[in-house]
Amino acid sequence: QVQLQESGPGLVKPSETLSLLCTVSGYSIRSAYYWGWIRQSPGKGLEWIGTIYHSGTTYHNPSLQSRVTISVDTSKNQFSLKLSSVTAADTAVYYCARALQNIFDYWGQGTLVTVSS
Amino acid sequence: DIVLTQSPGTLSSSPGERATLPCRASQSVSNNYLAWYQQKPGQAPRLLIYGASSRATGIPHRFSGSGSGTDFTLTIDRLEPEDFAVYYCQQYGSSPITFGQGTRLEIK
Repeated sequence: QVQLQESGPGLVKPSETLSLLCTVSGYSIRSAYYWGWIRQSPGKGLEWIGTIYHSGTTYHNPSLQSRVTISVDTSKNQFSLKLSSVTAADTAVYYCARALQNIFDYWGQGTLVTVSS
Repeated sequence: DIVLTQSPGTLSSSPGERATLPCRASQSVSNNYLAWYQQKPGQAPRLLIYGASSRATGIPHRFSGSGSGTDFTLTIDRLEPEDFAVYYCQQYGSSPITFGQGTRLEIK
């Protein structure tokens, strides 16, 4: 059974970098799927952040592109998200998910990240 | 960006009834690449429908999707108590991927 689990700090200071890790189990990240990050906040609803393939090819939401780095570590079956220069507007529940043609069929449980000093 | 509008924001129905949830796109969704998700409190979204009308694995037949171009609908026949949740549409035909704001289906 495919499972995804987000991990990382729940509190980040303004202007710093948010870093999250997604650990995948029950499925090899090298196989024929993409892996994505989506966030959900009360103000903006669900927002696609970006997607990565095991080869390292990435796609980002242009609204966040300059601040987002998504990478993959196939040896650990993990992929990660870094979002720089965060503000209170980046406070949200962050989800990692498996994607085929940008359809998200398996999701992690989500992790709340609060941006505050 | 394609804006997806889900109106009403809240829909009230009773168990056993049929619920119809609309999703309207600001421009035509390429290849009808439109998905629907269900979200319950404290849980991640769950994929229900993709390609506008194809049910995801394990989704009951009472859930169906229809529509094309800019107008799409999620229909839930014979509502079960566990169906009362928030439903989101998502388009994946154009970048960036976008989601609607959701319709909350509540018990009347």
